Amino acid sequence: DAGVIQSPRHEVTEMGQEVTLRCKPISGHDYLFWYRQTMMRGLELLIYFNNNVPIDDSGMPEDRFSAKMPNASFSTLKIQPSEPRDSAVYFCASRSDGGGFNEQFFGPGTRLTVL
Amino acid sequence: SQQGEEDPQALSIQEGENATMNCSYKTSINNLQWYRQNSGRGLVHLILIRSNEREKHSGRLRVTLDTSKKSSSLLITASRAADTASYFCATLRSNSGYSTLTFGKGTMLLVSP
Repeated sequence: DAGVIQSPRHEVTEMGQEVTLRCKPISGHDYLFWYRQTMMRGLELLIYFNNNVPIDDSGMPEDRFSAKMPNASFSTLKIQPSEPRDSAVYFCASRSDGGGFNEQFFGPGTRLTVL
Repeated sequence: SQQGEEDPQALSIQEGENATMNCSYKTSINNLQWYRQNSGRGLVHLILIRSNEREKHSGRLRVTLDTSKKSSSLLITASRAADTASYFCATLRSNSGYSTLTFGKGTMLLVSP
């Protein structure tokens, strides 16, 4: 397996534009997580899905953020409209529900810069 | 809210020395995990210790867990320059049948040749 795949790796956009981040989890994993990492706030959990269903989106900062998981192999995180304070590295991670180990596998991240 | 808090925030040592990082948490957990992040990369799982375990080893890594003090430590022995990275502890909690990891802010380790 290629691991968790994220695209794009880097995104530079202007304030007000729509940004869509994409994630392909590891095949067979039940959970998918979206995190945001900044120097000030560290690694924050934004939302997570279990079997494609959103379970907890309490970490989504504002209504400008939305996430979908239309099938087991694809998820998007959308910011509309984007603002400079959204600049951060966004990580997708996936995990299997079985075995009691709960190790999470992270993608390489998308570095977002909003000008 | 942050569940795990690592200490120290930054650590600088020479190759060959041991590095010890600590993590404290606030609520009961199912297990505690340590992750490593190289600059510009995603986090990579290092080791997991269950709430009923006290110590675990994996290669040059040694993890301890004290649930009475709600704390854990990660020891890296005989450090190498390649160990330079940020290290995060993460606590797993279950709620309503689902389990999530909460990460601390990490310890930045610099190992000089």
